[in-house]
Amino acid sequence: AQSVTQPDIHITVSEGASLELRCNYSYGATPYLFWYVQSPGQGLQLLLKYFSGDTLVQGIKGFEAEFKRSQSSFNLRKPSVHWSDAAEYFCAARFSGGYNKLIFGAGTRLAVHP
Amino acid sequence: SQTIHQWPATLVQPVGSPLSLECTVEGTSNPNLYWYRQAAGRGLQLLFYSVGIGQISSEVPQNLSASRPQDRQFILSSKKLLLSDSGFYLCAWSVPGTGSSYEQYFGPGTRLTVT
Repeated sequence: AQSVTQPDIHITVSEGASLELRCNYSYGATPYLFWYVQSPGQGLQLLLKYFSGDTLVQGIKGFEAEFKRSQSSFNLRKPSVHWSDAAEYFCAARFSGGYNKLIFGAGTRLAVHP
Repeated sequence: SQTIHQWPATLVQPVGSPLSLECTVEGTSNPNLYWYRQAAGRGLQLLFYSVGIGQISSEVPQNLSASRPQDRQFILSSKKLLLSDSGFYLCAWSVPGTGSSYEQYFGPGTRLTVT
């Protein structure tokens, strides 16, 4: 079945440290891939997306993500985390034949220590 | 630019009461529309999606229904709420057609507490 897995439920980093959030998708043709961020009590905001081409994509708020076909992964990174980055992060995929539906991972909650 | 609205922002309803949540989109025509539920500490569950007026697809059998009376209006309803209907309800839209990039844009959400 088509699925998106975010292995880490919670991650805690210190402010200024680097960050990597993991995302894996089920095997098959390369899907359209997305990362969203959700602050408490808010809707989801699109950080970045990947369709094809350059495997390193840049997004808003200083985030980037790298697509690795061999690992079926699309990990989100940020070189230096700010306290305001504390939020929940969702990876999502649109699989071939999935029409306009996105499959979401379970999310990773990020805490930032001062 | 496009904007998506949801109301109410918060709602407390007793078990057995009816429900109506509304979502409207501005600045685009014939969008695909979606309703998601997010239970506490959990991911997003797609409830319904719509590709046009009166066209609703249900993803999960449940106590809820959806309607799309106008092109940019999407309504989530229930005749009798259950405790398990509590959660954060998100509406989203996307550009229709195979030429789109498929990303969805989310509204601010409605926090529903059933007591």
